[in-house]
Amino acid sequence: LAKTTQPISMDSYEGQEVNITCSHNNIATNDYITWYQQFPSQGPRFIIQGYKTKVTNEVASLFIPADRKSSTLSLPRVSLSDTAVYYCLVGGPNTGGFKTIFGAGTRLFVKA
Amino acid sequence: GAVVSQHPSWVICKSGTSVKIECRSLDFQATTMFWYRQFPKQSLMLMATSNEGSKATYEQGVEKDKFLINHASLTLSTLTVTSAHPEDSSFYICSAGPGTPGNTIYFGEGSWLTVV
Repeated sequence: LAKTTQPISMDSYEGQEVNITCSHNNIATNDYITWYQQFPSQGPRFIIQGYKTKVTNEVASLFIPADRKSSTLSLPRVSLSDTAVYYCLVGGPNTGGFKTIFGAGTRLFVKA
Repeated sequence: GAVVSQHPSWVICKSGTSVKIECRSLDFQATTMFWYRQFPKQSLMLMATSNEGSKATYEQGVEKDKFLINHASLTLSTLTVTSAHPEDSSFYICSAGPGTPGNTIYFGEGSWLTVV
């Protein structure tokens, strides 16, 4: 299973764009990259998933360079309610299926 | 997205008793579910992989006789904490996925267990 490395914490202000980068140097060919958000006392919530290039949905964008050894979650115009822990996960059918091993995650603090 | 539900959301039990937590996939079938525990301000720790119709696979260091996992149907897995002790108090979370090409995993709401 690919190990992921993220910054432990980040601070931002309301209305700013936040970019959280995750390193996954040993990502396998069939691995997907998935980001989750977790609030205290809640299960992680799916944000976005991608395999390569760029993926965008209604809440975030995911940028994946050609070598796929890293990825960047972009949150546009964050609000106070985006304060949470964000996890980058890598896995796929040939790396233990979707057995998901969590790294430490990134604690995002959004200030007014 | 797919929905995974846990029950109960929180439970308090006395030391020495057993408590069961249920995990259900509401709109898809899950041959595999996963169980995690999480301590305050820490990341999720994978405890075991629950396989429908067969024995669970436990991660190193997790006592299989203490944390009994049953996956009797394609939509239900249960975690039973046997002979609970205060150190078992934690936030327990399950996850499952419909097996789509990206193998997206969805998580339950979590269950707080307090052993007194």
